Amino acid sequence: AQSVSQHNHHVILSEAASLELGCNYSYGGTVNLFWYVQYPGQHLQLLLKYFSGDPLVKGIKGFEAEFIKSKFSFNLRKPSVQWSDTAEYFCAVKDTDKLIFGTGTRLQVFP
Amino acid sequence: EAQVTQNPRYLITVTGKKLTVTCSQNMNHEYMSWYRQDPGLGLRQIYYSMNVEVTDKGDVPEGYKVSRKEKRNFPLILESPSPNQTSLYFCASSLSVREFTDTQYFGPGTRLTVL
Repeated sequence: AQSVSQHNHHVILSEAASLELGCNYSYGGTVNLFWYVQYPGQHLQLLLKYFSGDPLVKGIKGFEAEFIKSKFSFNLRKPSVQWSDTAEYFCAVKDTDKLIFGTGTRLQVFP
Repeated sequence: EAQVTQNPRYLITVTGKKLTVTCSQNMNHEYMSWYRQDPGLGLRQIYYSMNVEVTDKGDVPEGYKVSRKEKRNFPLILESPSPNQTSLYFCASSLSVREFTDTQYFGPGTRLTVL
């Protein structure tokens, strides 16, 4: 079965800093990959997803992610974070008939 | 408005007292799922349903039951809750699971405390 690793558990940044959150999945073949965001006290919302085609995926709120098949990675990036990006971020991969989530990365952005 | 609703949003109960958390979606989605979220463990799937009367165990099904008698509803039942089921629970739905080109829509969450 697939698994997902998010190596950054807690990231602290100042506003305007660049962000990269790591995500690795366990095995190859055709993969469907997702990044979800959970703002404090709220439910999960989809940031972006990859199914096929261009490996650079653009999502909402200025986020993007790059699928690198050779590295089994799907890292999330944002060139300049804002205080409002403070949230928990989850990478997920589709495995047959369900989503497998990573353990999440808590991002804190200070003004 | 397309949404997934859960009730109750907050619940404090005692060990052994049966409870049900309801989940309803208004998008005619086939696929519905329950997750629990715990610090450091992310979201783990409890049960899922690919359509009416079809349910399957996820990764952590012990101590939980579900039913899918109607397409829109997918209640989570704890017959005899225990303190280790204290968690944040999310219901989710998506149009189908075959292609998964659509996304899962999540409910607002139910914070359960079992004393």
